[in-house]
Amino acid sequence: NAGVTQTPKFRVLKTGQSMTLLCAQDMNHEYMYWYRQDPGMGLRLIHYSVGEGTTAKGEVPDGYNVSRLKKQNFLLGLESAAPSQTSVYFCASSWASGGSTDTQYFGPGTRLTVL
Amino acid sequence: DQQVKQNSPSLSVQEGRISILNCDYTNSMFDYFLWYKKYPAEGPTFLISISSIKDKNEDGRFTVFLNKSAKHLSLHIVPSQPGDSAVYFCAASAPNQFYFGTGTSLTVIP
Repeated sequence: NAGVTQTPKFRVLKTGQSMTLLCAQDMNHEYMYWYRQDPGMGLRLIHYSVGEGTTAKGEVPDGYNVSRLKKQNFLLGLESAAPSQTSVYFCASSWASGGSTDTQYFGPGTRLTVL
Repeated sequence: DQQVKQNSPSLSVQEGRISILNCDYTNSMFDYFLWYKKYPAEGPTFLISISSIKDKNEDGRFTVFLNKSAKHLSLHIVPSQPGDSAVYFCAASAPNQFYFGTGTSLTVIP
């Protein structure tokens, strides 16, 4: 099992460019999440999905869009990148929400720099 | 508005001694708490968790304590080992709510 994988691992964008980050999981998890990690800020939830075809906003959703067309994939899109979106992005998945099913499994991260 | 706070950005401990990492939360609706460990250039990995109906959970060298009245949890590592050097995040959840703390960087000195 690969667990949770993220593509790409690194990316440099210019302000205004767009890109999509891909997350894939092979654990048949229902829930998937996108976080960003910034110095001194910890992990902040951007968007999450409770199942195929569903998405919901997290703590810091502005400037991002997501899609969950297939259960195993969760895409994070930046339509017009800004320097404030320079961050490390982590994808995670879990069985469900509530109790022990809340345990989230994380991917290795994508380091994004917006110039 | 930080709902989960880790007030110590860093902690250094001698090998073999106890490491105590602390976490405070503000939302009384949180019903599940977790600790994650993160090495550089890797994603966080699950370490240990505790339900709000318990006040202690143990797994080998790791013990998590929950004080609901104080809205405080702590992670004890004993004995500490150099391989425990990492950033530790506490997390709290309620249905469809997930919050992480800012992390504490633990250094275990051989």
